[in-house]
Amino acid sequence: SQTIHQWPATLVQPVGSPLSLECTVEGTSNPNLYWYRQAAGRGLQLLFYSVGIGQISSEVPQNLSASRPQDRQFILSSKKLLLSDSGFYLCAWSFSGSSPAQYFGPGTRLLVL
Amino acid sequence: AQKVTQAQTEISVVEKEDVTLDCVYETRDTTYYLFWYKQPPSGELVFLIRRNSFDEQNEISGRYSWNFQKSTSSFNFTITASQVVDSAVYFCALSEPGGSQGNLIFGKGTKLSVKP
Repeated sequence: SQTIHQWPATLVQPVGSPLSLECTVEGTSNPNLYWYRQAAGRGLQLLFYSVGIGQISSEVPQNLSASRPQDRQFILSSKKLLLSDSGFYLCAWSFSGSSPAQYFGPGTRLLVL
Repeated sequence: AQKVTQAQTEISVVEKEDVTLDCVYETRDTTYYLFWYKQPPSGELVFLIRRNSFDEQNEISGRYSWNFQKSTSSFNFTITASQVVDSAVYFCALSEPGGSQGNLIFGKGTKLSVKP
């Protein structure tokens, strides 16, 4: 069976500091990978998705970037955090193919002070 | 344009009541997929169901049932005999056009509170 891990679970960072959130998937090969942000505990905003190593698509212009250095590893980064980057970050994976279900990780709660 | 509307922002029921969560979608595709997810207080989104646009049969899984009606562009979710553990935010989602990347369009969610 497949599992998805995210870390850290919570993070408090000062404004202007760098960020690195990591997501890994086990039990499958060549998954699609996704980063979402959920602000104010409600709506989900897709930030990035990847259909393969080194292939990143960005959905919204922002202060963040993503990388996929290995098949089952997806990293969300920032060089300088803003207050508005605070939120709940969720990583998800899916099988490749036609509109498969996405399976989500436990999430990272980020507070920028 | 693709859109998912969950008009109910919050619902509160007493345990053992039945509750229906509404989902209305807009799409120009003839082939599409619809999803429901549950987000308990812990935060992780849990996948509940995926339906394709050609299968309008209602589905039942234990206390959960889904009513898909293309004529009204709705995919409603009913919980029978609700329990406190059903308290969560529930999201309805629609596949994006093409669907090759697997991107989903989420509604804003309905927060369900089940009181003992």
